[in-house]
Amino acid sequence: QSALTQPASVSGSPGQSITISCSGTSSDVGGYNYVSWYQQHPGKAPKLIIYAVSNRPSGVSNRFSGSKSGNTASLTISGLQAEDEADYFCSSYTRGTTLVLFGGGTKLTVL
Amino acid sequence: EVQLVESGGALVKPGGSLRLSCAASGLTFINAWMTWVRRAPGKGLEWVGRIKSKTGGGTTDYAAPVKGRFTISRDDSKNTVYLQMNSLKTEDTAVYYCITGFCSGASCHWDDAFTIWGQGTMVTVSS
Repeated sequence: QSALTQPASVSGSPGQSITISCSGTSSDVGGYNYVSWYQQHPGKAPKLIIYAVSNRPSGVSNRFSGSKSGNTASLTISGLQAEDEADYFCSSYTRGTTLVLFGGGTKLTVL
Repeated sequence: EVQLVESGGALVKPGGSLRLSCAASGLTFINAWMTWVRRAPGKGLEWVGRIKSKTGGGTTDYAAPVKGRFTISRDDSKNTVYLQMNSLKTEDTAVYYCITGFCSGASCHWDDAFTIWGQGTMVTVSS
């Protein structure tokens, strides 16, 4: 089972929207509605921002939204703010001996 | 404050053993399914294994690269989960994190959405 595929980096200006993709297969992203997204600032623990494809935990800004089409999930951040600059990674439940796959992570730069 | 604190990381020779601990506080540990993941230098996160709560069956699952060498156990009286690592290989070198999910109403996400992460403990396997 291979890791999920994410772009290494994305960037955007304050106020803009950006989308980060997370590509998998029919055995993981495409087969289950259990994709999660995490935000990680340097030196900090990851923070869950999206679970079950499109659900936001309590306290997470509605500027963060998630979706899925086929074997690819996406995280969209609207109204970019400087504080959004961080690493973002996805995960998906999968079938097989490994229960969860992670993406390699995407570094978001707010210009 | 909800917290997971890992300990036990060290430098160990190939073929050696090590036991990691993860102490939980601020959560109802007895109900939590606990997961170990790792991040090798320069690589992404890798799921290692998981132990269910005793009420959930208390069973364990492991990733293929560690199955038969690693064992996860828990002591609910100490709010602690363990990762016993035997027959260590150089490719096991990584920062090991314990993590857990959550329940929201009747819906639980123990295996797919991790809200609590420890700070990690470094394991180096080298001669």
